[in-house]
Amino acid sequence: QVQLVQSGAEVKKPGASVKVSCKASGYTFTSYDINWVRQATGQGLEWMGWMNPNSGNTGYAQKFQGRVTMTRNTSISTAYMELSSLRSEDTAVYYCARGDSNVLTGPWGQGTLVTVSS
Amino acid sequence: EIVMTQSPATLSVSPGERATLSCRASQSVSSNLAWYQQKPGQAPRLLIYGASTRATGIPARFSGSGSGTEFTLTISSLQSEDFAVYYCQQYNNRVAFGQGTKLEIK
Repeated sequence: QVQLVQSGAEVKKPGASVKVSCKASGYTFTSYDINWVRQATGQGLEWMGWMNPNSGNTGYAQKFQGRVTMTRNTSISTAYMELSSLRSEDTAVYYCARGDSNVLTGPWGQGTLVTVSS
Repeated sequence: EIVMTQSPATLSVSPGERATLSCRASQSVSSNLAWYQQKPGQAPRLLIYGASTRATGIPARFSGSGSGTEFTLTISSLQSEDFAVYYCQQYNNRVAFGQGTKLEIK
């Protein structure tokens, strides 16, 4: 079946970087965009950006410009989201989601909890 | 940057009744508006896109309307599984989500 499987939970110190992976299966990886959305505990959804796995083109939310990098490895159908200069406010569950023209049609990954703590 | 505002923050409705959720954009997003449902501990699920088109597998009791800056999600007869948090999302200019409406059992 069509699914996205994300890497496991991470604990990072302030100032460090984190790289979350999102492995696609059940469909042609290069045919659909991958979006990244995060959600702090008890809070709403926050869009971080998108990537076209075919071209590698990306678009980032202004808030994360300069701090986020979205990449892919098409040979293993995996997308990556790297966030640098982590601070406590970055503690959240990070989701990848398959999209089409920025509609997050799904599926979504199961989420990756990133905890930033000294 | 487009700001999406949802109202109310919490809506209490009895099963079988109708629920109406609102979403307002700070500037026109045409019909580039989607609605998502999120249940506790789960990822969101797409319900509506293009302001009024139901996603695959979404029951007919869910309907969306509006264009420009004012949008509505209506659930015609609430089922127990519909109590969740609902988010609107514009995709006319990048992407922005509303802050969510929690639909709870009255």
